[in-house]
Amino acid sequence: ETGVTQSPTHLIKTRGQQVTLRCSSQSGHNTVSWYQQALGQGPQFIFQYYREEENGRGNFPPRFSGLQFPNYSSELNVNALELDDSALYLCASSLGTGVAETQYFGPGTRLLVL
Amino acid sequence: AQSVTQLDSQVPVFEEAPVELRCNYSSSVSVYLFWYVQYPNQGLQLLLKYLSGSTLVKGINGFEAEFNKSQTSFHLRKPSVHISDTAEYFCAVTRSGGSNYKLTFGKGTLLTVNP
Repeated sequence: ETGVTQSPTHLIKTRGQQVTLRCSSQSGHNTVSWYQQALGQGPQFIFQYYREEENGRGNFPPRFSGLQFPNYSSELNVNALELDDSALYLCASSLGTGVAETQYFGPGTRLLVL
Repeated sequence: AQSVTQLDSQVPVFEEAPVELRCNYSSSVSVYLFWYVQYPNQGLQLLLKYLSGSTLVKGINGFEAEFNKSQTSFHLRKPSVHISDTAEYFCAVTRSGGSNYKLTFGKGTLLTVNP
């Protein structure tokens, strides 16, 4: 059984560009949640996808968007990058939408915006 | 809305000493509580969680936490730490009913275990 994987591991972009981050969920998991972890901070919830539909969203602007595919893998897209978007982006997969279901986290993608 | 305060940003201890990492939460509704560990350059790993039942929760790697509703706390303890426990520890909370899909994390406590 493979765990949660994310790609790429590191990424450097310039302000105004767009970025796509990818996440492969653990086998059998139908739910993916995305978090942003700024340096020295705890993770902040961006949104969750369940069976290809957005199930909930945190306090992030619309330029943060996502997709979930039929195989339950997921993408996080960020448009019009800002310097403050520099962070570690974590995805977590689970068997269901409630957090009583254990969330399994990937190693993250570290994004630097210059 | 829920919030979490981790009272210590850094906790240095010597190997084989006991440790307590403090977490307080704020919520107007019933909650579930979690502790996660993050080793350098890795994602988060669940240590333990409180959903209901016994207020003393045992987790992996010898850690345990006690849910105290009157003090709105969920402190993490280990009786004897190892060098390998050096990591960042995050306390997290979510509401226990309805759409509880969103974890709210504290800012983390860096535990450094010295020889």
